[in-house]
Amino acid sequence: NAGVTQTPKFQVLKTGQSMTLQCAQDMNHEYMSWYRQDPGMGLRLIHYSVGAGITDQGEVPNGYNVSRSTTEDFPLRLLSAAPSQTSVYFCASKPLAGGYLGNEQFFGPGTRLTVL
Amino acid sequence: AQSVTQPDIHITVSEGASLELRCNYSYGATPYLFWYVQSPGQGLQLLLKYFSGDTLVQGIKGFEAEFKRSQSSFNLRKPSVHWSDAAEYFCAVTSEGGYNKLIFGAGTRLAVHP
Repeated sequence: NAGVTQTPKFQVLKTGQSMTLQCAQDMNHEYMSWYRQDPGMGLRLIHYSVGAGITDQGEVPNGYNVSRSTTEDFPLRLLSAAPSQTSVYFCASKPLAGGYLGNEQFFGPGTRLTVL
Repeated sequence: AQSVTQPDIHITVSEGASLELRCNYSYGATPYLFWYVQSPGQGLQLLLKYFSGDTLVQGIKGFEAEFKRSQSSFNLRKPSVHWSDAAEYFCAVTSEGGYNKLIFGAGTRLAVHP
């Protein structure tokens, strides 16, 4: 299993440009999520999904869109990038079966995004 | 609202010394608590978790953590640190309600001197 994969690893954008960060998992996990990591702030939840066709907002959703058309993929879209979106982005997934509250989330390697 | 506080931003220890990383949480009910480690340029890896039972939990890489409800703490410990333990450590708690939204602390960066 590849686990959780993210592409690209690095990206530089200009203000106003759009792009999509890709996330895929091959573990058949129902739950997928996007976090951003900023120095001194830990990880903050952007959006999450509990299955295909179901998404919801996290703590910092403004400026980001998501969709979940398949179990495997959960792309994150920046429609008009801003310097405040410079960050490291992590995708994570976990199963919802059993005691889901305690289930481990598996994280991808991250995408480092710089917006100029 | 739930929150996680990691009071120490940076900690430096000598190789072979013991380690304790502090974590305090704010949560209304019985929390689900996690410690993750992030090596430079990598994603996060789960070290251990607690949600019921024995308050001293063992994790991978020789780490353990103790849940103390009276102190709202979940401190991470290791008796003898190795140079490869240099990384950033995050404590996290499950948010109340919903599908396990994790609330993370700001992290503690550990440096290990030879």
